[in-house]
Amino acid sequence: DTAVSQTPKYLVTQMGNDKSIKCEQNLGHDTMYWYKQDSKKFLKIMFSYNNKELIINETVPNRFSPKSPDKAHLNLHINSLELGDSAVYFCASSQVGAGSSGYTFGSGTRLTVV
Amino acid sequence: TQLLEQSPQFLSIQEGENLTVYCNSSSVFSSLQWYRQEPGEGPVLLVTVVTGGEVKKLKRLTFQFGDARKDSSLHITAAQPGDTGLYLCAGHSGGSNYKLTFGKGTLLTVNP
Repeated sequence: DTAVSQTPKYLVTQMGNDKSIKCEQNLGHDTMYWYKQDSKKFLKIMFSYNNKELIINETVPNRFSPKSPDKAHLNLHINSLELGDSAVYFCASSQVGAGSSGYTFGSGTRLTVV
Repeated sequence: TQLLEQSPQFLSIQEGENLTVYCNSSSVFSSLQWYRQEPGEGPVLLVTVVTGGEVKKLKRLTFQFGDARKDSSLHITAAQPGDTGLYLCAGHSGGSNYKLTFGKGTLLTVNP
């Protein structure tokens, strides 16, 4: 059983389109995250939800909107996609804070905007 | 803003060699984690260090947390091709802070 699963694995779309990435975790963790990894492999946090409540919202364009219907799911919707949105997006989860238990990551969604 | 600097950024060595990767910050962290990421996959947690001066071993990998909890190192003994990957350090500032701050990573290639 995959602990943190993201779909789709690859996403190629045109500029201006709207797309969603889904994430589900079966670990019973109470906190979920979205990270963006750029072409230089730098991982930067975008959002975090704890028990369906938004707790971290970094400087992210408001074209990006996370939604957490329950604590096992955290989806990311992106409106009006731009070339600069091309990156690998990782979903992760942790129990309580990430201090000791660390994150469990999904395998990523490679988004390419053309 | 807490920053973690990793060095070197790239490292290419021959099988059997030893290597050390460094992770430095001007900020104090309550804990520091090391992850390894392979192509097409997400990072996987290797270890968490919590106490200043702490040393943890994972087979041929040795992790150390600095006394002041501002830096950490990862030493690999007798590297193997299977050690190839992106090594990331990540710091947690403690308390109810849920955020991990990641370094920019060290891309290690171990040639047979």
